[in-house]
Amino acid sequence: DIVMTQTPLSSPVTLGQPASISCRSSQSLVHSDGNTYLSWFQQRPGQPPRLLIYKISSRFSGVPDRFSGSGAGTDFTLQISGVEAEDVGIYYCMQATQIPHTFGQGTKLEIK
Amino acid sequence: EVQLVESGGGLVQPGGSLRLSCVASGFTFSSYWMHWVRQVPGKGLVWVSRISTDGSSTSYADSVKGRFTISRDNAKNTLYLQMNSLRPEDTASYYCLRGSIAWRGVDVWGQGTAVSVSS
Repeated sequence: DIVMTQTPLSSPVTLGQPASISCRSSQSLVHSDGNTYLSWFQQRPGQPPRLLIYKISSRFSGVPDRFSGSGAGTDFTLQISGVEAEDVGIYYCMQATQIPHTFGQGTKLEIK
Repeated sequence: EVQLVESGGGLVQPGGSLRLSCVASGFTFSSYWMHWVRQVPGKGLVWVSRISTDGSSTSYADSVKGRFTISRDNAKNTLYLQMNSLRPEDTASYYCLRGSIAWRGVDVWGQGTAVSVSS
């Protein structure tokens, strides 16, 4: 199974400041079709997760443009350009290149 | 509006069975792969299973293989997860997810249904 490792596990951020979360996979996430199936999800307290980013850097419908994704191969990053109060929650990366799909441990974003 | 509504969770004794259901609306259910993911309270997310559009192809996490069965009824817009030989470590919230039609992965999540396995 592909192991997904996120850092940091906790990220205190000042409102309006940027935040960055890293996700590293134990093997390349490049699929045989040439695409890289790395997604990011946000889980607000008491809510189910929701999709933010798919295929490394594509924003899902309705996701604010302060969220962006980047990376390639085994190293990926989620960036929030200016954190807002509603961004508090846990962020997960997930690979869908191989079965079983696997998630990172989650990164808790909180406001300082 | 795309919606996934799970039901069927509850308290069951170890060794028991439960069947989870997920009713889909707002999209053409039969055109999408579907998945189940679970989350132990306060813990991370674990992918459980997926099923193809016509039900002919299924995959499972090793932890549930041989005990859980995913299925679907496209006429009823419903996804199922039959869970047998339940163990305390199966205690979690179970989410129904829609597979993306445009890329490998998932896009829409249901609200989840809670399963507790305890004597």
